[in-house]
Amino acid sequence: GAVVSQHPSWVICKSGTSVKIECRSLDFQATTMFWYRQFPKQSLMLMATSNEGSKATYEQGVEKDKFLINHASLTLSTLTVTSAHPEDSSFYICSARVGGSYGYTFGSGTRLTVV
Amino acid sequence: GIQVEQSPPDLILQEGANSTLRCNFSDSVNNLQWFHQNPWGQLINLFYIPSGTKQNGRLSATTVATERYSLLYISSSQTTDSGVYFCAVDDKIIFGKGTRLHILP
Repeated sequence: GAVVSQHPSWVICKSGTSVKIECRSLDFQATTMFWYRQFPKQSLMLMATSNEGSKATYEQGVEKDKFLINHASLTLSTLTVTSAHPEDSSFYICSARVGGSYGYTFGSGTRLTVV
Repeated sequence: GIQVEQSPPDLILQEGANSTLRCNFSDSVNNLQWFHQNPWGQLINLFYIPSGTKQNGRLSATTVATERYSLLYISSSQTTDSGVYFCAVDDKIIFGKGTRLHILP
């Protein structure tokens, strides 16, 4: 149980295009989801907190207009990288709180390459 | 914000050895988890342990919340234990920089 499904696993796109990444909680409801970015051999950096039915909360230094987050239902949050550039190439991963003694669970991540 | 420090940053061990990974945090926390990130990037949840001690097979963890640290123990290391181990705390899941573990056959 407590699975977060993230798609796509990897994507290659051209500069200037937009890419949407989806995270779905499969067997629980996720009022809040978190989006992270990870560069090679580095830690995970929190980008934003996604709240169902309301605007996302972005961390300092993260461009709201570049990384659009939508959390329209209790089981789906999306991250759209708009007008992607090569410097946006990274590993993006989402998570949600399961609760109880399980804590948080993570999606499998999306490796984005912008060419 | 809260600071999370992990040590050591890198660890190379022979198969069969035991290891201890440490996580220090700068403020009281409600949540603390240990993760293992595999070569494909997937984060495997090892322990949710805001306090106390837990064990799962060859792995165990202890968090002393009053002293703001947590320890992850790996006994009888196997090559499949290789990877990066992260400690993450608080409701926003703030990650430490990780310990990169390499187990030699």
